[in-house]
Amino acid sequence: NAGVTQTPKFQVLKTGQSMTLQCAQDMNHNSMYWYRQDPGMGLRLIYYSASEGTTDKGEVPNGYNVSRLNKREFSLRLESAAPSQTSVYFCASSESGIKAGVRNEQFFGPGTRLTVL
Amino acid sequence: EDQVTQSPEALRLQEGESSSLNCSYTVSGLRGLFWYRQDPGKGPEFLFTLYSAGEEKEKERLKATLTKKESFLHITAPKPEDSATYLCAVAPMDSSYKLIFGSGTRLLVRP
Repeated sequence: NAGVTQTPKFQVLKTGQSMTLQCAQDMNHNSMYWYRQDPGMGLRLIYYSASEGTTDKGEVPNGYNVSRLNKREFSLRLESAAPSQTSVYFCASSESGIKAGVRNEQFFGPGTRLTVL
Repeated sequence: EDQVTQSPEALRLQEGESSSLNCSYTVSGLRGLFWYRQDPGKGPEFLFTLYSAGEEKEKERLKATLTKKESFLHITAPKPEDSATYLCAVAPMDSSYKLIFGSGTRLLVRP
């Protein structure tokens, strides 16, 4: 099993350009997430998908859109990139939402390092 | 506002020198508290989940504990391979899906 895969690994954009970050998981998980990680700020949730066909905003959704293409794939789109979106982006998946008493592990991908000039 | 604060920001230990990392949190109802390990250039890896005050979890040289205001990650006799950033996250009661992460503690264990 590959777990959670992300493409691309690195990307440089100019201000105003658009791009889509791809994420796929092969663990048959219901829930998927997009985070950004900035120095000194920890991981922040951008959007999540509780199950196929649903998406919801997280802590920092402005400037982003998402698509849950099917159960395996969850993409993140930047329509008009800004320098403030320079960050490392992580996709994650979990079996379901957080339930008391069980492991509730989120599995993370290797990340996409995005620079917006 | 829900918040997670980790201390110290960075910690240097000699191999075998035990210590503790702190995670203080304020949240309107705690659904769960999580510890992750992150190696440079990689995604976080799950370590523990704690649900209620007094709970403890152990894995090799690591032990996580939880009180009503904070969690500790105790590292006993660390080895150089324990060097990583350790992340704490809380799940507030008002969402089954949201995690609020702290900024992490960077641990370096020297041989």
